[in-house]
Amino acid sequence: EAQVTQNPRYLITVTGKKLTVTCSQNMNHEYMSWYRQDPGLGLRQIYYSMNVEVTDKGDVPEGYKVSRKEKRNFPLILESPSPNQTSLYFCASQSGTGALSPLHFGNGTRLTVT
Amino acid sequence: TQLLEQSPQFLSIQEGENLTVYCNSSSVFSSLQWYRQEPGEGPVLLVTVVTGGEVKKLKRLTFQFGDARKDSSLHITAAQPGDTGLYLCAGGDNYGQNFVFGPGTRLSVLP
Repeated sequence: EAQVTQNPRYLITVTGKKLTVTCSQNMNHEYMSWYRQDPGLGLRQIYYSMNVEVTDKGDVPEGYKVSRKEKRNFPLILESPSPNQTSLYFCASQSGTGALSPLHFGNGTRLTVT
Repeated sequence: TQLLEQSPQFLSIQEGENLTVYCNSSSVFSSLQWYRQEPGEGPVLLVTVVTGGEVKKLKRLTFQFGDARKDSSLHITAAQPGDTGLYLCAGGDNYGQNFVFGPGTRLSVLP
């Protein structure tokens, strides 16, 4: 089954404790991205990657890092989490460029930073 | 920065009623996608429109892209409880890679 898998689904941590949220897709998609979803703000893009070893900042990259060492994986790293990073995070992949190529989303990771 | 607004923010209706939700921007988009998101899941694509004035139908759902490609609407006929969810519009850039999402319309259809 074609899917985007995120782990963990829920995470509670404390300020300053480094964490990684994993994302893996089995569709051989070149394009992957991370979003955060907050009430009233919709989905905002954090980082995206057009291919292996190619990453770029989205609209809200501060406090986050990513890496793309393999095509299927795109982990999101919070080196020193802060309470304002409490949010619902989504990883997405896309088969290629073009408006008709849909985003395939994972089921989300709900992060709470205390 | 391109922004998308959606209205209404919340909508609660009875089964069988019709409804329209709106997605508006002051910016022009190359494409406009509509997604539906259910609790505990990621958004799932419903439709993509790319041409100004384009109308697409998906069973009881009708999507329209404004002539100037700055706005879109989603009309649901005879809503059913299964239509309940968060409806998100997303405007795409020229490359169809970076999308700006609206805040969503949360629809509740009561049986």
